[in-house]
Amino acid sequence: RKEVEQDPGPFNVPEGATVAFNCTYSNSASQSFFWYRQDCRKEPKLLMSVYSSGNEDGRFTAQLNRASQYISLLIRDSKLSDSATYLCVVNMRNYGQNFVFGPGTRLSVLP
Amino acid sequence: NAGVTQTPKFRVLKTGQSMTLLCAQDMNHEYMYWYRQDPGMGLRLIHYSVGEGTTAKGEVPDGYNVSRLKKQNFLLGLESAAPSQTSVYFCASSYQPQSPQPQHFGDGTRLSIL
Repeated sequence: RKEVEQDPGPFNVPEGATVAFNCTYSNSASQSFFWYRQDCRKEPKLLMSVYSSGNEDGRFTAQLNRASQYISLLIRDSKLSDSATYLCVVNMRNYGQNFVFGPGTRLSVLP
Repeated sequence: NAGVTQTPKFRVLKTGQSMTLLCAQDMNHEYMYWYRQDPGMGLRLIHYSVGEGTTAKGEVPDGYNVSRLKKQNFLLGLESAAPSQTSVYFCASSYQPQSPQPQHFGDGTRLSIL
């Protein structure tokens, strides 16, 4: 089993739609969690950190379920500019690899 | 603020040639990382460094060497390039993973080995 797994995608949604991405991680000792977005041929950029209590930033909401080892990202009112690949990233403290990246889920928001 | 700067941005090599990729960060971060990203795959860690003078192997270290002689710089070397090393290489830095600080990435080096 991969350490971090994500919905395979791609997701093709119309503008204004709500879309949810799922991510699961295998190491219960994982300590911190992030969602990054990566545009085509660009570097990953931090979208938001994920806190145990859940957090929201505008149209984006992240949730963490430690018991199920599951992270989600919800995007409301999708914009064309949201088209990108979304990477789930888990920081496994005490492990040499530290940050472990999921393979990403690609989103295309269509006009 | 420059953040994380990678040089060069693009490079084409012939099999067997050597080269060094440079990563520089101006945020006084302790940790630095080199990743490679291939089509359809997530980022894979090549090597990382937890501080000046220290390096460690990541998930895919074979064929690469690294050095961290100065805190702000992390060099990735290919001693004898192979076509399998054609990839996009990203450098990243973070304050320290012991606190939930995210990584900051450079804008990548696109390397082709012919």
